Amino acid sequence: GENVEQHPSTLSVQEGDSAVIKCTYSDSASNYFPWYKQELGKRPQLIIDIRSNVGEKKDQRIAVTLNKTAKHFSLHITETQPEDSAVYFCAANNRGFKTIFGAGTRLFVKA
Amino acid sequence: EAQVTQNPRYLITVTGKKLTVTCSQNMNHEYMSWYRQDPGLGLRQIYYSMNVEVTDKGDVPEGYKVSRKEKRNFPLILESPSPNQTSLYFCASSSKPQPLAGGPGEQYFGPGTRLTVT
Repeated sequence: GENVEQHPSTLSVQEGDSAVIKCTYSDSASNYFPWYKQELGKRPQLIIDIRSNVGEKKDQRIAVTLNKTAKHFSLHITETQPEDSAVYFCAANNRGFKTIFGAGTRLFVKA
Repeated sequence: EAQVTQNPRYLITVTGKKLTVTCSQNMNHEYMSWYRQDPGLGLRQIYYSMNVEVTDKGDVPEGYKVSRKEKRNFPLILESPSPNQTSLYFCASSSKPQPLAGGPGEQYFGPGTRLTVT
């Protein structure tokens, strides 16, 4: 079946450094790729998304890149801050509205 | 205030005792979905609904039922709960995406329901 693999499962960086999280999807029909942030004890919230007709999207310190040929997309966070510490989930959707999430990456930003 | 609400937030029950977790949204969203979250497995989709009376299975539908009789409500029903359904459950909703855009668009999640089945 369809799946989304996410790496790494845990990532620890120093404040101010960059963090990169990578995801690979299996369903070639996927065309919408959101990223969600979940702080401890809270609900997931969308931080950025990208559609298949775009290769890169940026919003302040956050950027996402998509390589449809390789079925690979990545989240980049620059100038990390302690408040970026959370669990990040990637996901892939197709027009059928079925959503497949990655297993999550726990990001620690050390002050 | 635009929101997705779930009730109850916490529930401890016994094997076999039917239960319903309610989900309601006030944003007039067409799309609604249920997920379960387990450590190391991320969020797994149980069922989703694209509109009233239109539902479909996600990745892990076994042991669950849903209904969508009204646009704002999407209850999750466990007819005979078992311990392996102990989990954190999230409801989510989304507006209809632009044509050909793909996927449900930004999903707004409820606060979660922590269910324990003993």
